Amino acid sequence: GEDVEQSLFLSVREGDSSVINCTYTDSSSTYLYWYKQEPGAGLQLLTYIFSNMDMKQDQRLTVLLNKKDKHLSLRIADTQTGDSAIYFCAEPPDKLIFGTGTRLQVFP
Amino acid sequence: DTGVSQNPRHKITKRGQNVTFRCDPISEHNRLYWYRQTLGQGPEFLTYFQNEAQLEKSRLLSDRFSAERPKGSFSTLEIQRTEQGDSAMYLCASSSDSLEQYFGPGTRLTVT
Repeated sequence: GEDVEQSLFLSVREGDSSVINCTYTDSSSTYLYWYKQEPGAGLQLLTYIFSNMDMKQDQRLTVLLNKKDKHLSLRIADTQTGDSAIYFCAEPPDKLIFGTGTRLQVFP
Repeated sequence: DTGVSQNPRHKITKRGQNVTFRCDPISEHNRLYWYRQTLGQGPEFLTYFQNEAQLEKSRLLSDRFSAERPKGSFSTLEIQRTEQGDSAMYLCASSSDSLEQYFGPGTRLTVT
């Protein structure tokens, strides 16, 4: 069945890079998504990648996709305190299947 | 603001009562989705509409839950005979092309 897994926590120092990882099981997924959720708020779409790509860069965000291993990662360069949030990967485009979320904590 | 809006933002109800939530999607978005999120988990898909047609329902959507989108614009989600296990954040999202779903702030339901 469909399942998306993420590590639960990540703690980084301000200014360092953060890498959030995700594994998925549905090899037919055509798009894979990253969402950000701040406390008490809804979900903000950060970026998504087509399954025929292996990398996408958008300002401080870099998405890497390894289809063979069904592994998706989100790298945040120069992490700021405002990046502290829960990050969810999700597949496919219609009824989104979300991972459990990775709580990113940024300390000064 | 033209984002997705949801009302109410918070609802506290006693077990056994009925509750109804409303979602107003982004104007002209023809797809509307409902998700449920419990503490410490990612959102779980409940159902979605394309215009006024309800195209898919999750098995999570028991017969106590019903969703409507009568004119293809706003949608309502009703829960009858609420149970404590229904306590969660109910999220609505809309999309024009199924690629990008934009989420509302959610309605937090607490069943006492």
